[in-house]
Amino acid sequence: AQSVTQPDIHITVSEGASLELRCNYSYGATPYLFWYVQSPGQGLQLLLKYFSGDTLVQGIKGFEAEFKRSQSSFNLRKPSVHWSDAAEYFCAVGALQGAQKLVFGQGTRLTINP
Amino acid sequence: GAVVSQHPSRVICKSGTSVKIECRSLDFQATTMFWYRQFPKQSLMLMATSNEGSKATYEQGVEKDKFLINHASLTLSTLTVTSAHPEDSSFYICSARETSGKRTGELFFGEGSRLTVL
Repeated sequence: AQSVTQPDIHITVSEGASLELRCNYSYGATPYLFWYVQSPGQGLQLLLKYFSGDTLVQGIKGFEAEFKRSQSSFNLRKPSVHWSDAAEYFCAVGALQGAQKLVFGQGTRLTINP
Repeated sequence: GAVVSQHPSRVICKSGTSVKIECRSLDFQATTMFWYRQFPKQSLMLMATSNEGSKATYEQGVEKDKFLINHASLTLSTLTVTSAHPEDSSFYICSARETSGKRTGELFFGEGSRLTVL
């Protein structure tokens, strides 16, 4: 069964600093990987996704993520965070084929210090 | 872009009543929709997969008689929480997968519906 682990429950960074959010997955086949962002009381917005090709994926809002099969990781990065990036971030894994149900990680809450 | 709309966004009901939440794909057809539940400060847990024209597939531990799902058309799935109790209070989020077109296979999420049962 697939699973996703986000080791960091809460991260605080200063505005303008770089950011890396960790995500490790367990999946028996080729994974379909996602990062979503959720503002309080809102739904989910897709930041980026990976299912094949270049292992460095560019997303919206200046985010990128790198798929490392050997480490079963899909970490999210941003070179310089903005106060508006404060939110909850979820990593998810799904099947490329079939029903494409997603399994989500526990989420990482990002706080930005001014 | 593609939009998935949920209604209502917030609902408060009395214990013992039933509540219906709608999930609509506004500009694409969705053979499959997914219903998730999210407790405060926690992740999303998949409840069921809603299939147009057939019965929903429920995840282990989810009571199908408690959470009734109907997917009567290619753009609408409904989740009815029957005889709601305070422990059913949660944030319910749906997602829809585009069946055809340029974004085939891509998942889109609704903005969620917050249910509070008094």
